[in-house]
Amino acid sequence: GESVGLHLPTLSVQEGDNSIINCAYSNSASDYFIWYKQESGKGPQFIIDIRSNMDKRQGQRVTVLLNKTVKHLSLQIAATQPGDSAVYFCAENKKLSFGAGTTVTVRA
Amino acid sequence: NAGVMQNPRHLVRRRGQEARLRCSPMKGHSHVYWYRQLPEEGLKFMVYLQKENIIDESGMPKERFSAEFPKEGPSILRIQQVVRGDSAAYFCASSFAGQGAPDGYTFGSGTRLTVV
Repeated sequence: GESVGLHLPTLSVQEGDNSIINCAYSNSASDYFIWYKQESGKGPQFIIDIRSNMDKRQGQRVTVLLNKTVKHLSLQIAATQPGDSAVYFCAENKKLSFGAGTTVTVRA
Repeated sequence: NAGVMQNPRHLVRRRGQEARLRCSPMKGHSHVYWYRQLPEEGLKFMVYLQKENIIDESGMPKERFSAEFPKEGPSILRIQQVVRGDSAAYFCASSFAGQGAPDGYTFGSGTRLTVV
């Protein structure tokens, strides 16, 4: 079975609001997690990553939080924009597997 | 510096024909990964190759599917005797270091295979 999985398949967000996408993993040996964004008709693009010895990492408008106790990570997107509409995947490095993805739709 | 190049972008094959999908990794990358994505689904890992070697093919069907990454030239994913269920988007990714590396994977734009 998959070692990572996203909680909700879809997320609808008002433009300007913050988005939170969640992901659970099962492999305690995973030491590196990555978030990807896939726009329609394109391949996945790297957004941000985090090592297991960290619990938070910030990028431009994005923040990833890692909770190793409950094996959960989340991606937060600040001030969501129409260009953020895409499918978001979390991945862990040990098995190269991806969850099913969360489709984020931004409402104008 | 071109990214991961996949061709063709779209491929139509009749049932029973062979499909050959090509992937040229980013310059300097020697690790290649193939994924399959069915409509409305996530990315399913198929195979991981390093130059001339298959490292992990646990996600690849045992029959009709094969992959190679020769010393020279692109990586090839070959599907023999295609069936309608093979219709999907096939993505290739490459990395500088191997599985578990901190640099993540760079993906190509995919090949969309349609079997008619």
